[in-house]
Amino acid sequence: DIVMTQSPDSLAVSLGERATINCKSSQSVLYTSNNKNYLAWYQQKPGQPPKLLIYWASTRESGVPDRFSGSGSGTDFTLTISSLQAEDVAVYYCQQYYTTPPYTFGQGTKLEIK
Amino acid sequence: EVQLLESGGGLVQPGGSLSLSCAASGFTFSSYAMHWVRQAPGKGLEYVSAISTNGDRTYYANSVKGRFTISRDNSKNTLYLQMGSLRGEDVAVYYCARDGCSGGGCYGWFDAWGQGILVTVSS
Repeated sequence: DIVMTQSPDSLAVSLGERATINCKSSQSVLYTSNNKNYLAWYQQKPGQPPKLLIYWASTRESGVPDRFSGSGSGTDFTLTISSLQAEDVAVYYCQQYYTTPPYTFGQGTKLEIK
Repeated sequence: EVQLLESGGGLVQPGGSLSLSCAASGFTFSSYAMHWVRQAPGKGLEYVSAISTNGDRTYYANSVKGRFTISRDNSKNTLYLQMGSLRGEDVAVYYCARDGCSGGGCYGWFDAWGQGILVTVSS
């Protein structure tokens, strides 16, 4: 199985500042035939189900604010929130869908306000 | 509006069985692969199982293989998870989720989630 490792486990950022969350896969999730990275990001607020933010490592889901962006390729990926808002407090997960199921998630990164 | 509504959770004794359902609405259910993902209390997300659009292919995490069975009834727009030989480590909120699609293909991200249903295993 592909192991997804996120860093840091928790993060405190001031309002309006940039937040950066990293995700590393144990093997490449870049499918060379279509040059796409099979990597998604989710946001989960307390008491709610996860919400899809980004797929193909950098494509924002419809309705997701443009302060959220994804980058990276191969085995190393980053979710960036350019200007942290209070409503962004949540746990963030990366997920690979490169293999046939079962897919795998990172352990999560808890984002708080400093 | 896409909606997924899980039901069937509750308390079961160790070694017991439980069946979860996920009623789908607001989209063409038969066109989407579907998934179950769980979350133990205070923990992260764990992938459980997947089923293809017509049910001919199923996939399981090693942790549930041989104990859980995923199925679907496209005529009822419903996804199921039959859980057996339940253990303490199966305690979790179970979410059903829809496969994400783009550009005419579907690939394995999850673009819609139910609210989740709690399964508790205890004597």
